Amino acid sequence: DGGITQSPKYLFRKEGQNVTLSCEQNLNHDAMYWYRQDPGQGLRLIYYSQIVNDFQKGDIAEGYSVSREKKESFPLTVTSAQKNPTAFYLCASSKTGAQPQHFGDGTRLSIL
Amino acid sequence: AQSVAQPEDQVNVAEGNPLTVKCTYSVSGNPYLFWYVQYPNRGLQFLLKYITGDNLVKGSYGFEAEFNKSQTSFHLKKPSALVSDSALYFCAVRDIGGNNRLAFGKGNQVVVIP
Repeated sequence: DGGITQSPKYLFRKEGQNVTLSCEQNLNHDAMYWYRQDPGQGLRLIYYSQIVNDFQKGDIAEGYSVSREKKESFPLTVTSAQKNPTAFYLCASSKTGAQPQHFGDGTRLSIL
Repeated sequence: AQSVAQPEDQVNVAEGNPLTVKCTYSVSGNPYLFWYVQYPNRGLQFLLKYITGDNLVKGSYGFEAEFNKSQTSFHLKKPSALVSDSALYFCAVRDIGGNNRLAFGKGNQVVVIP
């Protein structure tokens, strides 16, 4: 079955530590996205990539970094500069044009 | 900039009654509009989309939505709600002429009462 796989499902970060969230898709989609979800705030775009080796900042990119070396993979690193990283992180992918985004089942990140 | 408003935080409805979840949008050009549903600790699932054509769009699980250009609205409806429809619902919009970025509303919690 085609889909998007996010791992791990739960992640804990220590003070001053960088952590990396994995996102892999086998849908052959060109575009991939990272969102942060906080209660009552909906989804906020962190980074997105429309093609391999290219990505753009979203609305809340500070304290985060990404790479897009392969079409299937779009990992997100939460750096120590992100002072409030506790949230539910969602990865999505889509074809270009008028196509819906497909979502993974998320990673919940908490502070130790 | 594109944006979505979902004015109600929570919608309560009795099982078997009609369900409506409201959404209004703002874009500079013509919109692509989407509805998604989210169950606890899961990702978003696509329900339906409006691209062009018929203003009434039918989607998954018996849901439909009506596009109203003059009111810039895209309300989600279901004629008879089920307890299993209890979830968080998101409306999203993008500008046809823009990139693939979506703007999401804050979400509506739907509670269907048995």
